[in-house]
Amino acid sequence: DAMVIQNPRYQVTQFGKPVTLSCSQTLNHNVMYWYQQKSSQAPKLLFHYYDKDFNNEADTPDNFQSRRPNTSFCFLDIRSPGLGDAAMYLCATSREGTDPLTFGPGTRLTVL
Amino acid sequence: GESVGLHLPTLSVQEGDNSIINCAYSNSASDYFIWYKQESGKGPQFIIDIRSNMDKRQGQRVTVLLNKTVKHLSLQIAATQPGDSAVYFCAETDTGRRALTFGSGTRLQVQP
Repeated sequence: DAMVIQNPRYQVTQFGKPVTLSCSQTLNHNVMYWYQQKSSQAPKLLFHYYDKDFNNEADTPDNFQSRRPNTSFCFLDIRSPGLGDAAMYLCATSREGTDPLTFGPGTRLTVL
Repeated sequence: GESVGLHLPTLSVQEGDNSIINCAYSNSASDYFIWYKQESGKGPQFIIDIRSNMDKRQGQRVTVLLNKTVKHLSLQIAATQPGDSAVYFCAETDTGRRALTFGSGTRLQVQP
């Protein structure tokens, strides 16, 4: 089945220790997104790629970076995680950005 | 750890009743709207969408109503079942943006 896969499902890191979350898709969608979702809150868009074109949200901290080496994969790098970065990180894809997003299951990040 | 989340509004209904979940949006340029269902520990799941050239769209047991005059969106679930218990988010975008902005969410609790 075509889908969005996120690895790992659970990630524990230490304060200040860089961490990378990964996302892959078999849908061959042009657009890939990273959202941050904290407890009992709505998903908040961090950035998205339209093909290779990177689009950063104005309020996304510099601590968050992303890479999309090819159509299928997208990575979220957190350079120096703080306690406030503990959250669920959701990857999503869309064919052209004007159709529904398909979400992955998320990666739950814990910062100790 | 995570920062304390906001308290989600909760709608509690009896099994078999109809449910209505409301959402207000602020961007008058938004022209595409989606309702997502999110179960605990999972990514958001697409329910139904509507474009701004329509004011009503029906799916299986679900109906979305759009009132552009007052910037209001609602999701109606007919004959609500225990499996409908989840958090429901509305999301909006305009065609040029290619990224969804999520509303604050409503928790639906279905009592058997």
